[in-house]
Amino acid sequence: DAMVIQNPRYQVTQFGKPVTLSCSQTLNHNVMYWYQQKSSQAPKLLFHYYDKDFNNEADTPDNFQSRRPNTSFCFLDIRSPGLGDAAMYLCATKMSGSYGYTFGSGTRLTVV
Amino acid sequence: AQTVTQSQPEMSVQEAETVTLSCTYDTSENNYYLFWYKQPPSRQMILVIRQEAYKQQNATENRFSVNFQKAAKSFSLKISDSQLGDTAMYFCALNSGGSNYKLTFGKGTLLTVNP
Repeated sequence: DAMVIQNPRYQVTQFGKPVTLSCSQTLNHNVMYWYQQKSSQAPKLLFHYYDKDFNNEADTPDNFQSRRPNTSFCFLDIRSPGLGDAAMYLCATKMSGSYGYTFGSGTRLTVV
Repeated sequence: AQTVTQSQPEMSVQEAETVTLSCTYDTSENNYYLFWYKQPPSRQMILVIRQEAYKQQNATENRFSVNFQKAAKSFSLKISDSQLGDTAMYFCALNSGGSNYKLTFGKGTLLTVNP
């Protein structure tokens, strides 16, 4: 299965200071996803890519943007992080031969 | 739209015993996929077991098995011989297919295995 690598594992940013989270996957799969997971809650889909076709969910705040410069890499940009954006951010891609996902280890974002 | 409901926010079980986690779902698709994911505290989310809706036979993976009732739209997870390492948040998830393979999660059940 594809490995999904997220960096960094922990990120601390200041209120209002732009921050970028990164994700890479090893099998060059055409779909990638970004989820936000707040404490003790289900993951919430922010964005997904099918090839270069970018889709954001209707309720994803404008404060969040995403870039996919090539098949392997995907970035999540938070333009002006607020305290409410503190969460675990999960990146995922499709599992080979399955409709399941392989997740990265996540980046835990703290906003101070 | 697809929805997933887990009605048990928390459960506990004694080590070596059996526990069943409940999940119901709704989708208008006839062909779809169901999953149980495990997320230990502060650790990576990993796939436990999956079920294709077109398969009548319930999926089994070692100590983990499911009870898939398609007509009732129910998909429960049974963990046999519970181990301390099974302590985690368990998420039920649904994928109705399509080109984007979007996964919808339930709110999760926090399972604690007690020694």
